Amino acid sequence: AQSVTQLGSHVSVSEGALVLLRCNYSSSVPPYLFWYVQYPNQGLQLLLKYTSAATLVKGINGFEAEFKKSETSFHLTKPSAHMSDAAEYFCAVSRSSGSARQLTFGSGTQLTVLP
Amino acid sequence: DAGITQSPRHKVTETGTPVTLRCHQTENHRYMYWYRQDPGHGLRLIHYSYGVKDTDKGEVSDGYSVSRSKTEDFLLTLESATSSQTSVYFCAISVRPGGEETQYFGPGTRLLVL
Repeated sequence: AQSVTQLGSHVSVSEGALVLLRCNYSSSVPPYLFWYVQYPNQGLQLLLKYTSAATLVKGINGFEAEFKKSETSFHLTKPSAHMSDAAEYFCAVSRSSGSARQLTFGSGTQLTVLP
Repeated sequence: DAGITQSPRHKVTETGTPVTLRCHQTENHRYMYWYRQDPGHGLRLIHYSYGVKDTDKGEVSDGYSVSRSKTEDFLLTLESATSSQTSVYFCAISVRPGGEETQYFGPGTRLLVL
């Protein structure tokens, strides 16, 4: 079975500070990993994905994530937080199920950006 | 924008009544999914479809049924709604750019069961 753990349900950073959102996964096979962002009252928007190519993945809005197999981690970072980054962030791992791929999500991390 | 719409966007209903939520896509994607989102649980898969009339259960399928009679529409039905089904429901489609499958989500339906 695959699972995702997001450490810290709430993270606060000051504007301009480093953003670090943690995600650890368990998977019996090489995983596909995703980060999604959800703004209030909206659906989920894909930030970035890892699909076994480069281990450092760059996404939208200045975010990036590094796949570390030895640590089973896929942490999300951004060098300098902006007020518009305030949202909820979800890490997800994908697994095959028949012909489809199913996503298993972490419980989410709410990011607050302080002025 | 993956061309996904959901209807209704908001619904209030009473316990025991049937409810149907609709997901519509405009790009003829084969795979469609229904998730529910609850605080502290992230998103959990209810059912998915891999073609017209082809569906399968997800992690939390009890109390839900689905139908897909056309490629563009995937319906989620609560046969007899319960308060535990109060949630936000998201539809997703799957695309495979370069063979790497990625799911894209609709705007969601907020359901309140009284």
